[in-house]
Amino acid sequence: RKEVEQDPGPFNVPEGATVAFNCTYSNSASQSFFWYRQDCRKEPKLLMSVYSSGNEDGRFTAQLNRASQYISLLIRDSKLSDSATYLCVVNLHYGNQFYFGTGTSLTVIP
Amino acid sequence: DADVTQTPRNRITKTGKRIMLECSQTKGHDRMYWYRQDPGLGLRLIYYSFDVKDINKGEISDGYSVSRQAQAKFSLSLESAIPNQTALYFCATSDSGQPRTGELFFGEGSRLTVL
Repeated sequence: RKEVEQDPGPFNVPEGATVAFNCTYSNSASQSFFWYRQDCRKEPKLLMSVYSSGNEDGRFTAQLNRASQYISLLIRDSKLSDSATYLCVVNLHYGNQFYFGTGTSLTVIP
Repeated sequence: DADVTQTPRNRITKTGKRIMLECSQTKGHDRMYWYRQDPGLGLRLIYYSFDVKDINKGEISDGYSVSRQAQAKFSLSLESAIPNQTALYFCATSDSGQPRTGELFFGEGSRLTVL
């Protein structure tokens, strides 16, 4: 069983739309959670950490449900520049091994 | 200049050849990682190192070896390359002093094709 599972998409949405990505993780001992963004043929970069209480960064909102072992990312008012692959990442022990989901592809259409 | 530099960026080789991918960083981070990325499989950890004297196997270390020559340098070797090692390889670093931020800093990737 994979440590982290994501719907690969693709998600094709119009500009201005709201889109949500989901992710589940298998190990209940997981300690920390993140969303990374990867542009085509580029390296992944940290988008935001995910905290138990939920957190927001501009148009991006991340949620964590430890009981269901579920992580989400909501993007409001989608921009063309949001087109990328979004990777869900889980860490079992702080700073130890990071497990990546396969990524969810988003294309924002004009 | 990139903080995490990988060489070569692209390499085509033949089955059975020895290949080395090199990674150097100027971020001063103590932790370094090698991942490979395959379509539909995401990023998978090959090896990681928490300091020069600490090397650990990841999920898929078979067929690979690593060397941490200095804090700033971490190389990945394929002793005898095979076609299913064709992939995009990423080196990454992190700072043990900031474990909760979860920020891995990646190099630009090395695309390896084994014929």
